[in-house]
Amino acid sequence: GIQVEQSPPDLILQEGANSTLRCNFSDSVNNLQWFHQNPWGQLINLFYIPSGTKQNGRLSATTVATERYSLLYISSSQTTDSGVYFCAGGNQGGKLIFGQGTELSVKP
Amino acid sequence: EPEVTQTPSHQVTQMGQEVILRCVPISNHLYFYWYRQILGQKVEFLVSFYNNEISEKSEIFDDQFSVERPDGSNFTLKIRSTKLEDSAMYFCASRISYEQYFGPGTRLTVT
Repeated sequence: GIQVEQSPPDLILQEGANSTLRCNFSDSVNNLQWFHQNPWGQLINLFYIPSGTKQNGRLSATTVATERYSLLYISSSQTTDSGVYFCAGGNQGGKLIFGQGTELSVKP
Repeated sequence: EPEVTQTPSHQVTQMGQEVILRCVPISNHLYFYWYRQILGQKVEFLVSFYNNEISEKSEIFDDQFSVERPDGSNFTLKIRSTKLEDSAMYFCASRISYEQYFGPGTRLTVT
């Protein structure tokens, strides 16, 4: 079945710092999404990125499908970036399997 | 921008009661999903729904759960007789291509 693993599990940053979150996924994954879960529990779509690189403001993501990993970059972090970041993998448009998440805390 | 909506945002119910969680997917989407997240844990798949029938379900989705698309806009999850361990955040999602869009969730508390 589909497997998704994220690292690190926790990350503490000072405001203004940059960070990289990693997601490894199994062979059967051909769809990949990144989410941010805010303090109210809402899942915010960040990227749909089965391969390649995308950027949205201070956030960018790269997926190297042949090596089965994806990276989420956060630059110049702000306190509002705090929360849990999930990657989720799926195949043929079916269910998504979520990783355990990376809990990010950005200190002022 | 179109979005998935869910009601209620928070529901408290007593053990053994039936609950219905409601979702309005994005209007032109064809595939619908329910997921749940127990506090502090990862998000887990419950069920997928396409063309008015269940296309896949997880082991969690037992006989106590059912889904329905009663009209052209709503998608519901019913839990027949709630248990304490059903307390969780329930997310609805929909898609037309491969990207899934999630609603804001319903926090279910079973006392």
